[in-house]
Amino acid sequence: EPEVTQTPSHQVTQMGQEVILRCVPISNHLYFYWYRQILGQKVEFLVSFYNNEISEKSEIFDDQFSVERPDGSNFTLKIRSTKLEDSAMYFCASSEPSGRLSEQFFGPGTRLTVL
Amino acid sequence: KNEVEQSPQNLTAQEGEFITINCSYSVGISALHWLQQHPGGGIVSLFMLSSGKKKHGRLIATINIQEKHSSLHITASHPRDSAVYICAVLPLNYGGSQGNLIFGKGTKLSVKP
Repeated sequence: EPEVTQTPSHQVTQMGQEVILRCVPISNHLYFYWYRQILGQKVEFLVSFYNNEISEKSEIFDDQFSVERPDGSNFTLKIRSTKLEDSAMYFCASSEPSGRLSEQFFGPGTRLTVL
Repeated sequence: KNEVEQSPQNLTAQEGEFITINCSYSVGISALHWLQQHPGGGIVSLFMLSSGKKKHGRLIATINIQEKHSSLHITASHPRDSAVYICAVLPLNYGGSQGNLIFGKGTKLSVKP
């Protein structure tokens, strides 16, 4: 069964460093999402992406964040200058071409630890 | 302000029991998702529904759009059902092409053998 994959599973970085979290969505999906979950808190929407551009973004998704689909398979989240409060689990998700009302399939997550 | 409220927050059950987890929301929605989060953190989509009822194996999800309420039921619960169950809603969108999910805090279910 096709699945969303994410790498790395755990990333440890120093405050102020840049990190890139990678996702490979399901191959025929066209809508991509990033979510984050701070430990002990609820999952929060960061950004959605379609047709090579951001469709929606939350207040959390400020200038330190960017997303990119550098090739036909990868979808990346870059955090430019990490802060302690960026420590969280980051989930990528994708959905089918029918869009908003399609079920979203989640990746296993990347645990980001900022020291 | 919590737009999505789940109850209970924690639930302990004996194997075989019938389980109900509730979700109430305050916004107009296009659809509601039930998700399962395993202890390792991974999230699995269980259901997406916008009306009525869906069933998959021992899991049943219902939604009442007028009352802004959904329930997730697990019949004949098993220790392997132990996980966090998350309700997430897709708000009605008034012009954008994409929507973002608004998540509840989750219900932690523990099923004892």
